[in-house]
Amino acid sequence: AQTVTQSQPEMSVQEAETVTLSCTYDTSESDYYLFWYKQPPSRQMILVIRQEAYKQQNATENRFSVNFQKAAKSFSLKISDSQLGDAAMYFCAYRSSMGDYKLSFGAGTTVTVRA
Amino acid sequence: DAGVIQSPRHEVTEMGQEVTLRCKPISGHDYLFWYRQTMMRGLELLIYFNNNVPIDDSGMPEDRFSAKMPNASFSTLKIQPSEPRDSAVYFCASSFGVYNEQFFGPGTRLTVL
Repeated sequence: AQTVTQSQPEMSVQEAETVTLSCTYDTSESDYYLFWYKQPPSRQMILVIRQEAYKQQNATENRFSVNFQKAAKSFSLKISDSQLGDAAMYFCAYRSSMGDYKLSFGAGTTVTVRA
Repeated sequence: DAGVIQSPRHEVTEMGQEVTLRCKPISGHDYLFWYRQTMMRGLELLIYFNNNVPIDDSGMPEDRFSAKMPNASFSTLKIQPSEPRDSAVYFCASSFGVYNEQFFGPGTRLTVL
């Protein structure tokens, strides 16, 4: 099974500032998918951004962008212009592109936004 | 679309009782996933279905857990008998095709006393 590691249990950011969340993963596959999910206090899991491993270009969704380093097996999430509504737990997830379609999640990073 | 619907949102039961969690996937989705979230183990996949057929149940912790999907619009996860260590948040998710986004339900918080 693939291992996804989020080494930062908690991160704090000032409103309007930028925060970067780290994620590394372990795989022997060359093609796969990576995701960042947001879980606010409501518990709802919301997809923030996804990246296909075969695409070299980093994915971007509004204020959210990733830095995908395939050789280093690193997939960090950058939240720009942080807003109070960004406060949540963020999970990095991995999914194979062949055969095994389950999501493997990291332990999560809790993001606090200071007003 | 109403999204993935789960019921109940909260369940409190006593050890030894049977618990049934329910899920209605998004209409038209052909994959359904059951996940469990705990502080100790994080989010882990229990089982998933494709076109109502269980594909991988290797994450089901033990025989006390069972899951069914009698039709495309309904799935259940049953725990019998329940134990305090089963206390967790259980999520259902669905997707259209295996390569597309998994949409999660709001989860069921289960507490077994």
